[in-house]
Amino acid sequence: ETVLTQSPATLSLSPGDRATLSCRASQSVSNYLAWYQQKPGQAPRLLIFDASNRAPGIPARFIGGGSGTDFTLTISSLEPEDFAVYYCQQRSSWPPFTFGPGTKVDMK
Amino acid sequence: EVQLVESGGGLVQPGGSLRLSCAASGSIFGTHTMNWVRQAPGKGLEWVSSISSGGTHIYYTDSVEGRFAISRDNARNSLILQMNSLRAEDSGIYYCVSCEPTNGPGVFHFWGQGTKVTVSS
Repeated sequence: ETVLTQSPATLSLSPGDRATLSCRASQSVSNYLAWYQQKPGQAPRLLIFDASNRAPGIPARFIGGGSGTDFTLTISSLEPEDFAVYYCQQRSSWPPFTFGPGTKVDMK
Repeated sequence: EVQLVESGGGLVQPGGSLRLSCAASGSIFGTHTMNWVRQAPGKGLEWVSSISSGGTHIYYTDSVEGRFAISRDNARNSLILQMNSLRAEDSGIYYCVSCEPTNGPGVFHFWGQGTKVTVSS
């Protein structure tokens, strides 16, 4: 099973700041990595798939990068609605599909 | 876009059974790989099961293999998760999730709002 680790666990930032979230895989997942955003009481929402492809309707400030075992999600300038929990997920080696534990982006 | 609505959650005793349903809108349901993903209270996301568009390929996470059964009825745009021998650790919100056929399995594109399952005596 491919284990995903995310860092940091919590990121405290202000609106307008740049956020950089990391996801590391226990083995190469090529570019088969996705990012999801989840707000309290809501279902997750797909942001990025295959490392760098934005899902339809996702703003350009969400930028995915990386390949192999190391990936990043960058939010270029935080909007108030971006404060949420972010999960990475791999689909390279499955079953199972696996998720990381999440990074919470909260307001400083 | 696919709209997904789950139902069937509730409180059940350990060892009991529940049947979750997911109703999908749109005539393209039959082309989508469908999945169940769950989230224990205050925890992260866990993939539970997937079924291919035609229903011929089915996969489960190890912890539910032999206890849960996923199925679909493309004529009725519905997805089912039959859960037997339930345990406390099966508690959580269960999301019905679909994958766009152009992106392949494992890109969880559309999510329902979830249905809550509580396993407790």
